[in-house]
Order: sequence, then structure tokens, then C-alpha cells
Amino acid sequence: DQQVKQNSPSLSVQEGRISILNCDYTNSMFDYFLWYKKYPAEGPTFLISISSIKDKNEDGRFTVFLNKSAKHLSLHIVPSQPGDSAVYFCAASKGSGNTGKLIFGQGTTLQVKP
Amino acid sequence: ETGVTQTPRHLVMGMTNKKSLKCEQHLGHNAMYWYKQSAKKPLELMFVYSLEERVENNSVPSRFSPECPNSSHLFLHLHTLQPEDSALYLCASSQDYYRFLLNTGELFFGEGSRLTVL
Repeated sequence: DQQVKQNSPSLSVQEGRISILNCDYTNSMFDYFLWYKKYPAEGPTFLISISSIKDKNEDGRFTVFLNKSAKHLSLHIVPSQPGDSAVYFCAASKGSGNTGKLIFGQGTTLQVKP
Repeated sequence: ETGVTQTPRHLVMGMTNKKSLKCEQHLGHNAMYWYKQSAKKPLELMFVYSLEERVENNSVPSRFSPECPNSSHLFLHLHTLQPEDSALYLCASSQDYYRFLLNTGELFFGEGSRLTVL
């Protein structure tokens, strides 16, 4: 039973446009969410996070939106750049235990075309 | 130099071999993790060590045996693996495991060890 799902395996956008990556979760106990970015031959790196007490968190070109009622979050990248081409993983944490046990989605490969 | 270093980067082994993956973190963190990444599947948590004590074992087969001799080093000993165990094995660390969100709330990953079992 996959608790965190990224239903789009890939996404292609033009440079300068908006990239929207989606993530759905099933466990209502999740209350902290993170996005990681992974380049080929490298480990994932932390990108941005959001607590369930917020519905939006912004960091430069990256914004994460959380819709708790729909159990859905999305990552917006504006404007998209070729260097953003990577695999993006959504992850969730159960805050009741406040542990580092993150549940990851299967990832979405983003390609930004020049 | 990255904060989390994994060796070897690539490993090919037969089903009867015994090998080990090594992870070292230079960040002064107290928690270390092993994750498995198979193609088109989510990152799967395998083991977690907090202050050198194993705190999570996610129903991992006994042919995978972790070892954490100190807070900076983590090993994954491999024995009689199956071809379906071929995957990218990622090591990660965090400042703490139990107060995860009180710190940065992020994991720091190594570059991974690509394992192929023939």
C-alpha cells in the first residue's frame, strides 16, 4: 500500500514556463512534507518543505502548496530553468512520532527544454 | 567533499558472494539511514540507526545485515542476494532521528551504491 503517490512519472516543460509537480498521500496522520531533487549519479538533495499548519511555503522560484482536505501537495517552479531537469521526490512524515522516518513517492522526472 | 560518502559507487556480485557497502558522514549527525531505490518505485526505508542503536528495521530480509560501529559510519553487509535485490542503495544522515523536525527536518543523502546481482 503506497502512502505517497506521484502519479506522473515524467513532465516536460519549456524554459521560462511554470513546472507543476503533484503528489498525493493517503495517511491523514502525515503532517510534514518535503520535496527532494535528484540528479543522475547523485543522491537526493532537500529542496523545500511544508508543515501541515501552512498551506503554502515559498523559497525563491520554488513554492509548495498543501491541500489537506484533498491530501494533495504540489511543487511549483517558476520560471523553470534547464538546470531544474531532475527527478523530484515528494516525502511525508508522521509528526506524532517526530522522527526522521520519511515515506517517499516514486518520483517525477522533470525535463526543462531550452 | 560531500557530507555523506558511499563506497563503492558500483558493485557487481554473484548470488553466493558476500560483500559490504560502506557509508561515512562528516556532518556530526546522530542518525543514519539505508534506503533502497528500485526503478520506478519509491525510495524504500530499510534501516535507521540513532546514536548507533538500530531503531527501524522495515521488514528487510536477513540477507541484508546493517552495522553501525559509531555515529559516523554505517555498513550494509550483503549475503546470498537475489537478482531482484539489484538497485541503488542510498545512505543518508540527519542531525537527530527522534527530534527530527526540531532541527532542519531534512535528510542528507550520499550518492548511492549501484548494486547488480547476477
